[in-house]
Amino acid sequence: DVKVTQSSRYLVKRTGEKVFLECVQDMDHENMFWYRQDPGLGLRLIYFSYDVKMKEKGDIPEGYSVSREKKERFSLILESASTNQTSMYLCASTLFDPFSYSPLHFGNGTRLTVT
Amino acid sequence: KNEVEQSPQNLTAQEGEFITINCSYSVGISALHWLQQHPGGGIVSLFMLSSGKKKHGRLIATINIQEKHSSLHITASHPRDSAVYICAAPQEADKLIFGTGTRLQVFP
Repeated sequence: DVKVTQSSRYLVKRTGEKVFLECVQDMDHENMFWYRQDPGLGLRLIYFSYDVKMKEKGDIPEGYSVSREKKERFSLILESASTNQTSMYLCASTLFDPFSYSPLHFGNGTRLTVT
Repeated sequence: KNEVEQSPQNLTAQEGEFITINCSYSVGISALHWLQQHPGGGIVSLFMLSSGKKKHGRLIATINIQEKHSSLHITASHPRDSAVYICAAPQEADKLIFGTGTRLQVFP
C-alpha cells in the first residue's frame, strides 16, 4: 500500500514565523500535491509538482512556496505565517495525473494554527 | 458557484439503513473520484469511475455521464461508516475540483 506521511499532525505557530510542512511518499509517484481544507470550501489546491524540481501554482498559492528536491519529498513553506493560514493541510500523491485511472493517496493531514 | 455540488451536506442514519449521497458536476470529466475522510483528517480514495457502476463491499458508486450526476450508496450502514464523503471531478489538465463534502453520522 502507498504510504503518504506528513511530518506533523498538529502545529501551532506564531504570526510571522517561517513554517515548513513536510510530506513523504514511498511509492515512487511522479505527482504530488498540497491542498488546504477549510469548512464550507472543500479542498483547494495550493501547489503541485509533476517531477523533481518542478512546481506549478494551484488555485491559492499566495503566501506559500514549495520545494521538491527529491522525488519522494514535497515540502510546503509558509514564508511568514499569518492567521488566515490557520487550516488543515493535506498532501497527496498519484502515479499518473488525476484524470486517468490513478487514485489519489492522501496523508493524514496537518492541522496548523497560527496565533 | 462550485462546479461540483454534493447533497445533502449532513446526513444522519440508523445502523442498517441504506444511504445515498449525490454529486452533480458541471465540468467535463474523464473520471470522477469518491473519497472518504474520517475524523482526524486522513482521506482515502474509494472509487474512480467514468461510466456505469462500481462496487466495493457495501459501497456502490454509480455515474450518469449524460446527466452529469453520480451517487454513492452504502448498504447496511454501520457506525464505522461515519465520515465525510467527498466527490471530485477534473476541471482542466491539472485540476481536480472537490465538492464540500457530505458529513454522515450513523448511530447504533
